Amino acid sequence: DAGVIQSPRHEVTEMGQEVTLRCKPISGHNSLFWYRQTMMRGLELLIYFNNNVPIDDSGMPEDRFSAKMPNASFSTLKIQPSEPRDSAVYFCASSLWGSNEQFFGPGTRLTVL
Amino acid sequence: SQQGEEDPQALSIQEGENATMNCSYKTSINNLQWYRQNSGRGLVHLILIRSNEREKHSGRLRVTLDTSKKSSSLLITASRAADTASYFCATGEGAQKLVFGQGTRLTINP
Repeated sequence: DAGVIQSPRHEVTEMGQEVTLRCKPISGHNSLFWYRQTMMRGLELLIYFNNNVPIDDSGMPEDRFSAKMPNASFSTLKIQPSEPRDSAVYFCASSLWGSNEQFFGPGTRLTVL
Repeated sequence: SQQGEEDPQALSIQEGENATMNCSYKTSINNLQWYRQNSGRGLVHLILIRSNEREKHSGRLRVTLDTSKKSSSLLITASRAADTASYFCATGEGAQKLVFGQGTRLTINP
């Protein structure tokens, strides 16, 4: 299995631009998580899905952030408009519901200028 | 919000020595997990201990859990250069949600 796949690996954009991060979970996993990691705040859970349905989005910082999971093999995290304080590494993780062990992707390093 | 607090924040030891990292948390948990993160990479699951367990082993890893003190420790024995990484504890809340600590940065000197 290829593991969790994220794209792009690096994104540099200017303030105000729309950013879309993509994630393909491990085949067969039915839970998907989006995290953000910064030096100041550590690793924060933004949102997670089970069977493509958002279960908990309480970690989404503001309305500028949105996440979708149109099918079991694809999810997006969108930031519009982006701001410099959104600069971070964004991780996607997947798991089997109830297994507790999460498998992380390599992350997308986002820089907003 | 952060649940787990790792201690120390950074640890530097010689290859072959044992490394011990601690994690404290605030609320009731179902389980506690430890993850490793190599520089520039995603997190990798190491070991899970359930709230009704006190100790667990996996290879050179030993994890303890004291629910009365709301704390856990991760011991890596006979450390190797490849163990250099950041280590995070994560507390399981509910069926799926994990809350991660700030991590301990471990450096193994050859």
